[in-house]
Amino acid sequence: SYVLTQSPSVSVAPGQTATITCGGDNVGSKSVHWYQQKPGQAPMLVVYDDSDRPSGIPERFSGSNSGNTATLTITRVEAGDEADYYCQVWDNSGDHVVFGGGTKLTVL
Amino acid sequence: QLQLQESGPGRVKPSETLSLTCSVSGGSITSADYYWGWIRQPPGKGLQWVATIYYTGATYDNPSLKSRVTISTDTSRNSFSLRLSSVTAADTAVYYCAAGRTYDWFDPWGQGTLVTVSS
Repeated sequence: SYVLTQSPSVSVAPGQTATITCGGDNVGSKSVHWYQQKPGQAPMLVVYDDSDRPSGIPERFSGSNSGNTATLTITRVEAGDEADYYCQVWDNSGDHVVFGGGTKLTVL
Repeated sequence: QLQLQESGPGRVKPSETLSLTCSVSGGSITSADYYWGWIRQPPGKGLQWVATIYYTGATYDNPSLKSRVTISTDTSRNSFSLRLSSVTAADTAVYYCAAGRTYDWFDPWGQGTLVTVSS
């Protein structure tokens, strides 16, 4: 089955840019979606279809997807961005949803 | 604005069937605009998709759950449900229900409900 690989953790200072990657075989041919999950809360969609933002999500959150890597970029990182981030795709070879293992973003 | 709320027992015994319901408000379970899904998260671990259903009755489920999953809708209660049979401790998790404009992604999510499998 299809596998998405994320680094377990990323650390960044406030005001800097965080880059969170999601690797998968030819993931660039799929639509990648990203969720933010703060402790004790349900996940929240922050980017869908590689680079679109739902209403209410700041422009600081952006996404890209090419080749074997999809990327979530958070500019001007704030303390409130500290959370777990998950990438997700639809695997049409088996008609099912696949999540990456998640990346914990720590704001120093 | 679409809102979802999970309900069901917080504890299930091993080998029994886990049953959860997701009540939907702000939208219709029969709408062609949404897919309805269940995602779970074992304590301290990542997200695992369980199943998705569309108003047509089309369903999709995680093959790793080996046909233990049943997802269904209840139009009279504007809700959808999950049944997971033959549960073990590995099925202990927070279970989230969620909606999606496509089968592809989920927004919004319910707040989640913890189900513990224990005798």
